[in-house]
This record gives sequence, C-alpha cells and structure tokens, in this order.
Amino acid sequence: DIQMTQSPSTLSASVGDRVTITCRASQSISSWLAWYQQKPGKAPKLLIYKASSLESGVPSRFSGSGSGTEFTLTISSLQPDDFATYYCQQYNSYSWTFGQGTKVEMK
Amino acid sequence: EVQLVESGGGLVQPGRSLRLSCAASGFTFSSYAMSWVRQAPGKGLEWVSAISGSGSSSGTYYADSVKGRFTISRDNSKTTLYLQMNSLRAEDTAVYYCAKERGSGSWGDAFDIWGQGTLVTVSS
Repeated sequence: DIQMTQSPSTLSASVGDRVTITCRASQSISSWLAWYQQKPGKAPKLLIYKASSLESGVPSRFSGSGSGTEFTLTISSLQPDDFATYYCQQYNSYSWTFGQGTKVEMK
Repeated sequence: EVQLVESGGGLVQPGRSLRLSCAASGFTFSSYAMSWVRQAPGKGLEWVSAISGSGSSSGTYYADSVKGRFTISRDNSKTTLYLQMNSLRAEDTAVYYCAKERGSGSWGDAFDIWGQGTLVTVSS
C-alpha cells in the first residue's frame, strides 16, 4: 500500500504569512495527488487535484506543486479563513490514501 | 445543487451490523464513481471503500481494515450509495462520509463533493 507522510503536523502562522505544507508518497504516484481543507465539524473541501490544478471556486492564493513522490501545498498569503487542517491524498491505481493532516493554527 | 446526504448512523453493539445510505442529487449519479471515507473522533481521514459508476461487483475496492466485513453497493435508479457494515468493532467508530469522484466516466480520482457525514458509534 502507498503511504502518505505530511509535514509538519502542526504549523503556527500569522495572517499574511506564506505557508508551505509538504507531502511525501512511499512510491511514485505521478501527479495523482489532491489537497483538502477541513474545518472542525465539517466535511473536507477539495482545493487542488492532479497535484497542481486549482479546483473551481478555490482562491488563487492556494497552489500545489510536485510529482512522483514529493508534493507541496502553498498558501501565498494566509487569510483568517485559512486556519484549518489540510490533508493530502493520493489516488493512484485504485487506491486512495490520505496523509495524517497538518493543522494550521494562529501564532 | 449537487448534494450528498448520508443517513443510517447510530449506536450499535460490537459484532452487530449497520447499513449506511447516501442520497445523491444534482448530478448524473451513474456517471460517477463514489467512495466512503471515515474519520474517527479527533483523528485523520481514512478511505474505506469505492465503487465504479456502474456498480458492478468487479468495480469495488476496500481498505484492508474493512475487507470481508463491509460491502459497498449502489442503486443508480434511486441515486443512492450504500455501505453494509457487518461484524462491527469499536475501532469502526467514526463519522462516515460519502464522496463523489471528480471526473465523469473515470475511475480513480479526487473527491469533489462530500456529504455532511453520519456518526457510527460501536459500543456495548
């Protein structure tokens, strides 16, 4: 099975900061990677698919990059609404695995 | 409006069964593969099972943690997804979400629409 490892687990940041979250796959998944945002008590929301494609309606301050086994999610200027937990997910070869999550909290 | 609404959760004793439903609306249900994803209290997301748009038995996949105990199915005429959960264990306690794959006619994609979730608690 493909394992996904996110870092850091928790990130303290301020409004306006540039934030980067990393996700590593245990084997190559090409670009079959998505990023989700989840707020407490809510369902996850798709932000990025195919590693770098922005889902419709998602602000352009969110961006994704990478391929193979190394991926990043970047928030160019953190906004108050962005404090949440972020998950990466691989969807390669009829298996779906999530990273353990990165909580972005207020510094 | 594209919408998924789960139901069927509740408190169940270990070893018993429960069936979850997910009613879909606002899109051509049969054109999209669907999945169940769960989240234990205070924990991360865990994919549980997936089914192709046609719902054929050869188009189903399961996480190792539920293989042999859970069965995913769908009724495209009722635009409803199901998860039959047997031999439930305490570690199956979680909020269960149904999720729609992003691509029409494809198989193996990101999840662009999620339901609100239904809580399953396995306890004596």
